[in-house]
Order: sequence, then structure tokens, then C-alpha cells
Amino acid sequence: EDKVVQSPLSLVVHEGDTVTLNCSYEVTNFRSLLWYKQEKKAPTFLFMLTSSGIEKKSGRLSSILDKKELFSILNITATQTGDSAVYLCAVEAQGGSEKLVFGKGTKLTVNP
Amino acid sequence: SQTIHQWPATLVQPVGSPLSLECTVEGTSNPNLYWYRQAAGRGLQLLFYSVGIGQISSEVPQNLSASRPQDRQFILSSKKLLLSDSGFYLCAWNSAGELFFGEGSRLTVL
Repeated sequence: EDKVVQSPLSLVVHEGDTVTLNCSYEVTNFRSLLWYKQEKKAPTFLFMLTSSGIEKKSGRLSSILDKKELFSILNITATQTGDSAVYLCAVEAQGGSEKLVFGKGTKLTVNP
Repeated sequence: SQTIHQWPATLVQPVGSPLSLECTVEGTSNPNLYWYRQAAGRGLQLLFYSVGIGQISSEVPQNLSASRPQDRQFILSSKKLLLSDSGFYLCAWNSAGELFFGEGSRLTVL
């Protein structure tokens, strides 16, 4: 059974800190790994990773995938209170239905 | 551009009552559509997905059902709600491997 495990489950930091969120996975026929940010309602897309070792970057957020060790990390530098959210990791397996399997998420709280 | 609409946004229902959540997608044809549920403190759990009209796959046994009467319409239903059906329900469609979500429907069963 496909599985995604995120750690830590929750994290409280101060503004300006750097955080690293972890995602490990077990999936048959891996196709891609995605990161989402969920504030109050629907998750919003951050990154899609398909290749090992290639960092994706968007402002203060960056992510990288290691397909050999089956994990990904999401880094946020110089955190702001607006970064407070649940960060979800999901993996997609090849197979036609394009289903995403999600982890439980990491709840990040950034205090001023 | 593609958009996804989901309603109602909030619902409070008594145990044993029926349920109907509706989702429609605009700006695309023949999308893969998904219903996810997010219970408090848990991740997104895939409930149903559909690759076309009338084609429904269920991921977990449960008290819910789904239907796809039109290409861009996906409905989640129940004949009799249970307390455990409470949660945040999200409809989504997949484009090039990326999921786009509706705004969600928060269901509270009392």
C-alpha cells in the first residue's frame, strides 16, 4: 500500500527562523511528489518534484527530492507569520488514475 | 481558465439525514475528478475518483457514494449520515499531475 509520512507533525518557530519539513514515501511506480500549503480552506500548490537532486525554488521556499532514499524536504527561510499553515506532501504513482496519496501534514506556526 | 466550484461551503446535518455535495469544473473536458476527506488532525484521504461519466472508483469502504452524471459534474452522497462522516470534503481535478482543489465543504454531523 502506498504511504506518505511527514515529520514533524507540528512545529512552532519565531519569525526569521529557518524550518525544514520532511516527507518520506513508499509508493509503487513513483511518478512525482508534490507539496501543498493549506491555510483555512483548500490546499494551494507549491512544488512538483520528479527528478532527484534538482532543487525547486520559489522565493523563500525551496524543495528537493531524493528518489534513492525516498524522501523530500521543504525548506522555508526567514519565516513570516504568513507562513503559518499546514504543509501537505503527496505522491503520485504511475498507473492511469493520477491519484495522489497525501501525508498527514505538518502544522507550522510562526510567532511574531 | 479552469475553475472548480464546490457547494455548499458549510453544512450541519443530523445523524441519519441524507447528504449531497456537488462539484463542477469549468474550462476543461474529460477531467479526472476526486473526492477527498480531511478529518480533524488528519491528512487528506482519497474517497472516490472518476476518470469519466459514470465511472467511479471507491478507495475506502464507507457510508458514502459518488456519481458523475455529466463530464464536469461530480457528486458525493449519503443516504444516512453517521457521526464519523463529519469532516472537510474537497473536490479536485488533476491537470498534468497537479491537483486543483475546490474551496471545500465543511460537514458537521450532530
